[in-house]
Amino acid sequence: NAGVTQTPKFQVLKTGQSMTLQCAQDMNHEYMSWYRQDPGMGLRLIHYSVGAGITDQGEVPNGYNVSRSTTEDFPLRLLSAAPSQTSVYFCASSSTGVRGYTFGSGTRLTVV
Amino acid sequence: DQQVKQNSPSLSVQEGRISILNCDYTNSMFDYFLWYKKYPAEGPTFLISISSIKDKNEDGRFTVFLNKSAKHLSLHIVPSQPGDSAVYFCAALPSGSARQLTFGSGTQLTVLP
Repeated sequence: NAGVTQTPKFQVLKTGQSMTLQCAQDMNHEYMSWYRQDPGMGLRLIHYSVGAGITDQGEVPNGYNVSRSTTEDFPLRLLSAAPSQTSVYFCASSSTGVRGYTFGSGTRLTVV
Repeated sequence: DQQVKQNSPSLSVQEGRISILNCDYTNSMFDYFLWYKKYPAEGPTFLISISSIKDKNEDGRFTVFLNKSAKHLSLHIVPSQPGDSAVYFCAALPSGSARQLTFGSGTQLTVLP
C-alpha cells in the first residue's frame, strides 16, 4: 500500500552538481507529474507524463529533465544545480488526470 | 500571471465555527476544480472536487461551491475542528487531454480550540 514514493527526503547539493530525484508509484497510474513548492507561490508544475514514453513540459521546466521508461517510475534530473532550485519537490500520480492526484511526501532540496 | 488565486494567505477560526476559504480563477478552459489539504512535511492530500457543470458538492463537513459566472469557488468547513488546521490549496484542471493541475498559492487555516 505504498502509493507514491519519493527518494531522497532531504538533499543538499553544491552549485553545479547534478542529481536525480526518484519517484515511483504502485497504483498503475498513467498520469505522473513533478511540482515544486516555494513560499507564497503554491505548487508549480515542472514536467508531466501521460503515459510511458510520453513527457511534456510544465510551467517551470528549465534546468530539469525527465523520462518515463516504465509506468511506475518518473525520475526528475537536475542537470546543473543552482540556488534558485532550492525548493520542496513533489511527485504525483493519477489514473485519469481528472480525479484527485496522489502525492508523495516530498523531497526537500537545498542548493548551496 | 496566476490563473488560480487564493488572496488570503491565512485564516483563523474558532473551533465549532464555519471556515470559508476562497479561490478565484481566470482561465475559462478550467472545467474541474479540486481542494487539497497539506500538513507540514507531508504531501498534499485530496479533499474534495467539483465539476464545472455543478454549483455545489458536499462531503461530510466539507462543501465546495462554484460560481462560474464570477469564476469563483469556495470551500466551507462546518464545524471546524483543530485537526483541520493546515494549508489548503485550490487547484484547477483544464479540459483536453493534458489534464494537469494548476494550483493557487494556498491558505493557512488555523482552528483555535
